[in-house]
Amino acid sequence: GNSVTQMEGPVTLSEEAFLTINCTYTATGYPSLFWYVQYPGEGLQLLLKATKADDKGSNKGFEATYRKETTSFHLEKGSVQVSDSAVYFCALRIGGSQGNLIFGKGTKLSVKP
Amino acid sequence: ETGVTQSPTHLIKTRGQQVTLRCSSQSGHNTVSWYQQALGQGPQFIFQYYREEENGRGNFPPRFSGLQFPNYSSELNVNALELDDSALYLCASSPPDRGLIYGYTFGSGTRLTVV
Repeated sequence: GNSVTQMEGPVTLSEEAFLTINCTYTATGYPSLFWYVQYPGEGLQLLLKATKADDKGSNKGFEATYRKETTSFHLEKGSVQVSDSAVYFCALRIGGSQGNLIFGKGTKLSVKP
Repeated sequence: ETGVTQSPTHLIKTRGQQVTLRCSSQSGHNTVSWYQQALGQGPQFIFQYYREEENGRGNFPPRFSGLQFPNYSSELNVNALELDDSALYLCASSPPDRGLIYGYTFGSGTRLTVV
């Protein structure tokens, strides 16, 4: 079946540190891949996406590259800020009429000043 | 442009009761999906509505049901509530391309507690 596996958290970093959150997936067909972010008490916000192999999604300094050969979509940021503290979810969607998202369990990031 | 709004924000119900959660989709969005997010877990797909018809369903029992109205707003109904139904319920809407290009816009959720 289709599934997403994320590195377990919590991840605690100092401000300006480099961030990597690992995400691997299992999918039948050719999924689109997403990173969503959830700030405390809020819903999910789309952070970035990639719809085909070798695509790089980027937004607000975050990047992730769709690697078909390793079935991965790792999230990276060169210099984190306190305001990046949140829970990050990797997700996939198989194309077609249904198009529901399949999420990983989430990784909580805490950035200390 | 208004986003996705959900009501109520918090709700406490007793086991065995029924509950209705509501969602107003973002303007121009005709597809609505519902997700259940248990504490410390990722969201799980419940079902999706497109043009007032159910258009896909996850692994949830029939006591989870929904409606979509002509204005594309939606309701999630849960009958015979169980303690394990306690979760954050998220509504997500997408434009006519069904999220292929623009992804989904999520609401802030309804926190349901079953006691």
